[in-house]
Amino acid sequence: GNSVTQMEGPVTLSEEAFLTINCTYTATGYPSLFWYVQYPGEGLQLLLKATKADDKGSNKGFEATYRKETTSFHLEKGSVQVSDSAVYFCALRLNSGSARQLTFGSGTQLTVLP
Amino acid sequence: EAQVTQNPRYLITVTGKKLTVTCSQNMNHEYMSWYRQDPGLGLRQIYYSMNVEVTDKGDVPEGYKVSRKEKRNFPLILESPSPNQTSLYFCASRDESGQGWNSPLHFGNGTRLTVT
Repeated sequence: GNSVTQMEGPVTLSEEAFLTINCTYTATGYPSLFWYVQYPGEGLQLLLKATKADDKGSNKGFEATYRKETTSFHLEKGSVQVSDSAVYFCALRLNSGSARQLTFGSGTQLTVLP
Repeated sequence: EAQVTQNPRYLITVTGKKLTVTCSQNMNHEYMSWYRQDPGLGLRQIYYSMNVEVTDKGDVPEGYKVSRKEKRNFPLILESPSPNQTSLYFCASRDESGQGWNSPLHFGNGTRLTVT
């Protein structure tokens, strides 16, 4: 079946540090890949996405590249801020049109200290 | 403002007492879904609806019911809640027109349910 594996948290960084959150996937077919972010007390919101191999999604200084050869979609940011503290979810969606096929990882809690 | 609204935000109840969590969206989205979020498990889909009067089971539907009588509303019903349904619940919606499968999900702010 389809699955998403994220690095376990929590991750604690100092402000301006470099961030990497690893995400790998298994899927039957060719998925689209997403990163969602959940700020404290809120629902998830889309951070970025990539729909095919070698695509790079980017938003708010975050980037992730769809690597088909390593089945990965690692999230990176060059200089984190305190306001980036949140839970980050990697997710995949098969390009089959099936409404059920959005699969989330378990989430990674990020805390950025001033 | 485009939004998904869930109520209540917090709910404490006892085993067996029927409850309903409401969800409403103002974006005219066809697709709506319920998830539960548990530590270490991420989000798991409970039920979803492709349109009015069309609902289907997700990955963890046992113990839950839904209905979709109107496009904007998608209530989650627990007929006889049990402690293992203590969780954080999210409603979400998505525009299904065009490349709907790549449109983002819009989430509500969550309902934290405790069943004692």
